[in-house]
Amino acid sequence: GQQVMQIPQYQHVQEGEDFTTYCNSSTTLSNIQWYKQRPGGHPVFLIQLVKSGEVKKQKRLTFQFGEAKKNSSLHITATQTTDVGTYFCAGRTGGGNKLTFGTGTQLKVEL
Amino acid sequence: EPEVTQTPSHQVTQMGQEVILRCVPISNHLYFYWYRQILGQKVEFLVSFYNNEISEKSEIFDDQFSVERPDGSNFTLKIRSTKLEDSAMYFCASSVVSSGQNSPLHFGNGTRLTVT
Repeated sequence: GQQVMQIPQYQHVQEGEDFTTYCNSSTTLSNIQWYKQRPGGHPVFLIQLVKSGEVKKQKRLTFQFGEAKKNSSLHITATQTTDVGTYFCAGRTGGGNKLTFGTGTQLKVEL
Repeated sequence: EPEVTQTPSHQVTQMGQEVILRCVPISNHLYFYWYRQILGQKVEFLVSFYNNEISEKSEIFDDQFSVERPDGSNFTLKIRSTKLEDSAMYFCASSVVSSGQNSPLHFGNGTRLTVT
C-alpha cells in the first residue's frame, strides 16, 4: 500500500535557526496537505498543495510540492518556540477519501 | 469557530470489553473519519463515512470495528472486543467535502483509549 515517509524523525534547533522537513510518497499524489500537532494536541490543518511544483508561503513557513508530485517539503525560517510540535504531511492518491499521513517530524526549539 | 467534539477524553477498559467512542462533527460537514495514533507514532487512517455508509476503510478496521451515525449529529466508533494493542488516541475528523476534493480535515481533541 501507499507509504509516506518523512525525514528527519526529530529535529532540535536553537530559536532563530531554520528548519526543514521532507516528505516522500511511494506513489504519485493528487494533493498534499500539511498538519501541525502540538504536544498533547490534535492535528491542525496548515495548508494544501495541488499543482506540480507549487510553492506556497505562510509568514515564515514555505511549502513546496515536487514536480513529480511524490514529494513535498516544509521550511520554517527563524524558528520560534511557538513552532514546537510534530509536522505531518498527508497525501491522497486516486479518487478515494483516504488521507494517508506521513511519519511526522517532531520539532523542538530551544532558547 | 465550529469544532469537532469527542467524548470521553479518556476511556479505560478491560481487554475483551466493548467500547463506544463518540464524536459530534461540525454541523455542515458531510464526510466523517476515524483515525488513531499510538503514542508517539503517526496518525493512521481507520475509516471514512459518507451518506450513512462506509466509503473507505483500512486493513486495521477489521470485524471488531464498526461505525454508526445513530442520529443527525453523533458519529460513533465501536470496538466490540478490545485488545491490548487497541490502546491509542482515537481522533474523529470531519470535512465539508471529501478529502479527495481537496477539503481539509478538522480533527477533534481525541479520546485516549487504554486497554488493560
